[in-house]
Amino acid sequence: AQTVTQSQPEMSVQEAETVTLSCTYDTSESDYYLFWYKQPPSRQMILVIRQEAYKQQNATENRFSVNFQKAAKSFSLKISDSQLGDAAMYFCAYRTSGGGADGLTFGKGTHLIIQP
Amino acid sequence: DAGVIQSPRHEVTEMGQEVTLRCKPISGHNSLFWYRQTMMRGLELLIYFNNNVPIDDSGMPEDRFSAKMPNASFSTLKIQPSEPRDSAVYFCASSLRTSGKNEQFFGPGTRLTVL
Repeated sequence: AQTVTQSQPEMSVQEAETVTLSCTYDTSESDYYLFWYKQPPSRQMILVIRQEAYKQQNATENRFSVNFQKAAKSFSLKISDSQLGDAAMYFCAYRTSGGGADGLTFGKGTHLIIQP
Repeated sequence: DAGVIQSPRHEVTEMGQEVTLRCKPISGHNSLFWYRQTMMRGLELLIYFNNNVPIDDSGMPEDRFSAKMPNASFSTLKIQPSEPRDSAVYFCASSLRTSGKNEQFFGPGTRLTVL
């Protein structure tokens, strides 16, 4: 079974600075998808960014980018120019790319604090 | 377009009572997922459906839990009888199964408290 590990229960960063959240995963598959979800206090789960394992290029979405290291099974999220609205729980998630619409396997999350 | 709709948003019940959580997926989506979120175990997949058919229910914790999807626009998650350890936030998510990307859209969740 796949596992996802987020080793940082909490991170703090000054507003406008850059922060990197870590994620590692374990799988025997060669093709899969990785995601970062944001969960603000409203508890709504919001997709931040997605990476297909077969793509070597790291995904970017505005101020959010990932560092995908397939061999190391590492998938970190970098947030540039941190804003107060970025404060939330961030979850790393894995999904097989198999034919079925399999569910997501989540890490335990990182609580991101933005210091004004 | 409306997103995934869940009801109720909050539910407080007493141990032993039956609890039914409801979900309306995004129109046109053909995959539906139920997740549970607790402090101890994080976010866990309970069950998912493709085209109204349950595909994997290995995450359902006990026989007290059951889920149905009678049609493409409605699903229920039932707990009978409920126990205090069932207290959690339950999320429903849906996706369109056209390719491997299958982004899952989450509902706002139901916070369940069992006293």
